[in-house]
Amino acid sequence: AQTVTQSQPEMSVQEAETVTLSCTYDTSESNYYLFWYKQPPSRQMILVIRQEAYKQQNATENRFSVNFQKAAKSFSLKISDSQLGDTAMYFCAFKADYKLSFGAGTTVTVRA
Amino acid sequence: KAGVTQTPRYLIKTRGQQVTLSCSPISGHRSVSWYQQTPGQGLQFLFEYFSETQRNKGNFPGRFSGRQFSNSRSEMNVSTLELGDSALYLCASSLEAGDWNEQFFGPGTRLTVL
Repeated sequence: AQTVTQSQPEMSVQEAETVTLSCTYDTSESNYYLFWYKQPPSRQMILVIRQEAYKQQNATENRFSVNFQKAAKSFSLKISDSQLGDTAMYFCAFKADYKLSFGAGTTVTVRA
Repeated sequence: KAGVTQTPRYLIKTRGQQVTLSCSPISGHRSVSWYQQTPGQGLQFLFEYFSETQRNKGNFPGRFSGRQFSNSRSEMNVSTLELGDSALYLCASSLEAGDWNEQFFGPGTRLTVL
């Protein structure tokens, strides 16, 4: 069974600054995918960024980037130039064999 | 394109009853997954369907079941409801069943069991 751990329940960041969310996972699978999802207060979950485990290059989507360390089973998310609209709960997720497992989430609050 | 729709949005039931939740995926999407979200347990995977076949299921009792129809719409059923079944139930659809595919989530059905 795979587990996903997000050790930071809450984080606060000033607008325009950078924040990094940590995520570690445990699995015996060799082929898997990693995701960060965002759930704003309105509750509709949306995909932020994804990473294929067999790719060493870190994924980037505009202001969002990941630091994927496969050996350490670590998958952190960096939000650069934080905006008020980034305020949300962020979930790290792991998918293999058609099953998506989520971490407990990190609530990010962007301060004006 | 319309997003994932879930009905009903809110539901109140009493212990022992059963409930059926519905999910309509984005047009053209053939895979549907269900999740339970609670403050205590977080987001937990229930099951994933593709072309009317269940591909995987999470660690939930047999009271939780689901199905997918030929038009990709999906339903999940919970029988003999317990207080602990109170949760937000999220449905997500994706184009195909592969693990790489982005899942698009619906707004959820808030189930309250009294």
